[in-house]
Amino acid sequence: GENVEQHPSTLSVQEGDSAVIKCTYSDSASNYFPWYKQELGKRPQLIIDIRSNVGEKKDQRIAVTLNKTAKHFSLHITETQPEDSAVYFCAASRASGTYKYIFGTGTRLKVLA
Amino acid sequence: NAGVTQTPKFQVLKTGQSMTLQCAQDMNHNSMYWYRQDPGMGLRLIYYSASEGTTDKGEVPNGYNVSRLNKREFSLRLESAAPSQTSVYFCASSPRVGPVNTGELFFGEGSRLTVL
Repeated sequence: GENVEQHPSTLSVQEGDSAVIKCTYSDSASNYFPWYKQELGKRPQLIIDIRSNVGEKKDQRIAVTLNKTAKHFSLHITETQPEDSAVYFCAASRASGTYKYIFGTGTRLKVLA
Repeated sequence: NAGVTQTPKFQVLKTGQSMTLQCAQDMNHNSMYWYRQDPGMGLRLIYYSASEGTTDKGEVPNGYNVSRLNKREFSLRLESAAPSQTSVYFCASSPRVGPVNTGELFFGEGSRLTVL
């Protein structure tokens, strides 16, 4: 079946350093890859997404890269700040009339001041 | 504009009891979803509804039923609750994919269910 693997499960970085979270997916028909951030006790919220027709997308301090051949995609956060501390989820989906997302298991990022 | 509203926020059940989680969205979205979140397991799709009148199974549908009552409302029912169903449940909605819509999921605040 469809599967999304996410690594690492926990990540600690010093404030100002970069953080990278990696995901691999199994369904070769997947063509939409969003990332969600969930702060403690809150709901997940979309922070960035990428479609399969591009290899990289950037929004200020966050970027996502996609390698369709290898079925890998990654989230990059630069100049990390304490407010970046949260759980991050990747997901993969076929971009059809309804997205049926399969999520990764999440990465708990801790930014140490 | 409330977005996605779930009720109840907290519930404690005994094994074998039944209950319904309610979800409503006011964003005129076509698609609605129910997820469960467990430590170390991420968000797993239980059921989803592409449009009013249709529902489909997700990754973990066993032990659950759903009803898409109208475009706004999508309920999740546990007929005979089991301890394995202790979890945080999230309802979500998304617009139909198109040139403008990205398919972003808008989540409710979550419902924490404990089955004893």
